[in-house]
Amino acid sequence: KAGVTQTPRYLIKTRGQQVTLSCSPISGHRSVSWYQQTPGQGLQFLFEYFSETQRNKGNFPGRFSGRQFSNSRSEMNVSTLELGDSALYLCASRSGTGGFSGANVLTFGAGSRLTVL
Amino acid sequence: AQSVTQLGSHVSVSEGALVLLRCNYSSSVPPYLFWYVQYPNQGLQLLLKYTSAATLVKGINGFEAEFKKSETSFHLTKPSAHMSDAAEYFCAVSDLSNTGKLIFGQGTTLQVKP
Repeated sequence: KAGVTQTPRYLIKTRGQQVTLSCSPISGHRSVSWYQQTPGQGLQFLFEYFSETQRNKGNFPGRFSGRQFSNSRSEMNVSTLELGDSALYLCASRSGTGGFSGANVLTFGAGSRLTVL
Repeated sequence: AQSVTQLGSHVSVSEGALVLLRCNYSSSVPPYLFWYVQYPNQGLQLLLKYTSAATLVKGINGFEAEFKKSETSFHLTKPSAHMSDAAEYFCAVSDLSNTGKLIFGQGTTLQVKP
């Protein structure tokens, strides 16, 4: 069974640009969550999508947005990039229903490492 | 609000020694708790989870953790460290909304010396 796939793995942008990151969840998983990982702030929740609807949102500015498609693939977008947006962006999927049974544990992708110059 | 505190940002052990990584949580209700491991340039891999079925939880790679409500702790242990255990370890608690939101500790880097 294929895992969570994130593309691109590495990218470099300059301040003011925007970026789109992609995440393909495990087949059959309907929930996709995004996290930002930085040395200073650690792992922080960005948002979760389930069946194309945003179900929960973390404390990030509106420059951070996401969406989910009917095939459960998800994208996140960061506009007007700032130096502080340099981070590893992790996507995780789960089946999205019920409690934290084995099927509902978050499975993470390898991440997209964004560097903003 | 839920929160997690990992005591010690760096832990160093010798190969074959006991591994003990500490995690304390704060939760107003019985929590769901997790330990994840992250190897360099990789994502997070689930080691084990506590979902109230049993207080002693066994995970992959010989790791286990014990849920102690009285101490609000969920420490991770392994009897004998291997070089391959060198990585960063994260303790996490589920958000009460039962969505895909986990609240993570700051992480503990485990160094294993030969």
